[in-house]
Amino acid sequence: TQLLEQSPQFLSIQEGENLTVYCNSSSVFSSLQWYRQEPGEGPVLLVTVVTGGEVKKLKRLTFQFGDARKDSSLHITAAQPGDTGLYLCAGVPQKDSNYQLIWGAGTKLIIKP
Amino acid sequence: GAGVSQSPRYKVAKRGQDVALRCDPISGHVSLFWYQQALGQGPEFLTYFQNEAQLDKSGLPSDRFFAERPEGSVSTLKIQRTQQEDSAVYLCASGGTTDTQYFGPGTRLTVL
Repeated sequence: TQLLEQSPQFLSIQEGENLTVYCNSSSVFSSLQWYRQEPGEGPVLLVTVVTGGEVKKLKRLTFQFGDARKDSSLHITAAQPGDTGLYLCAGVPQKDSNYQLIWGAGTKLIIKP
Repeated sequence: GAGVSQSPRYKVAKRGQDVALRCDPISGHVSLFWYQQALGQGPEFLTYFQNEAQLDKSGLPSDRFFAERPEGSVSTLKIQRTQQEDSAVYLCASGGTTDTQYFGPGTRLTVL
């Protein structure tokens, strides 16, 4: 079974703090994607990482793909209330079909003003 | 619009009723996916289309679930004889030539 485990499941912090969300697996992924989902909406893609060790930045968000392509992290600097939402990681398993995403259960993030 | 649209946004059904959920993908997108999402959880794969061909339906939970995409564009997910455990948000996503999937807003189904 190819699972993506996200941690923490829930995080509530004050505006201005930094945080890191993790996405881990024992399997290798061809690519890994991070999505943010707000209530009543579908997930919105934030970034796709493909290369082991890759780091991508999106304003205050920094995404890293592990060297072995089994894990990823999302770091938010100086969190803002607008960052509140459900953060989901999803990956394309290396040896399986090239279309079906394996999803983590998500990290529910609340940023308090 | 330019994004994926789904209708209805909300559906309340009595147990035993049939429902049909519609997805309008981004124009030109070959791939189309249906997912089921429980509250606070990640999406669970239901089925995948490439154009009009349903290449994978391994995630459909029972034979009460049926999906079609007859002309390779709009897709319909049908649930027959709905049960309370079918209550969830049903997400549709479409994709082009990359792994990226673009999601619609979902249909929240409540079965009473």
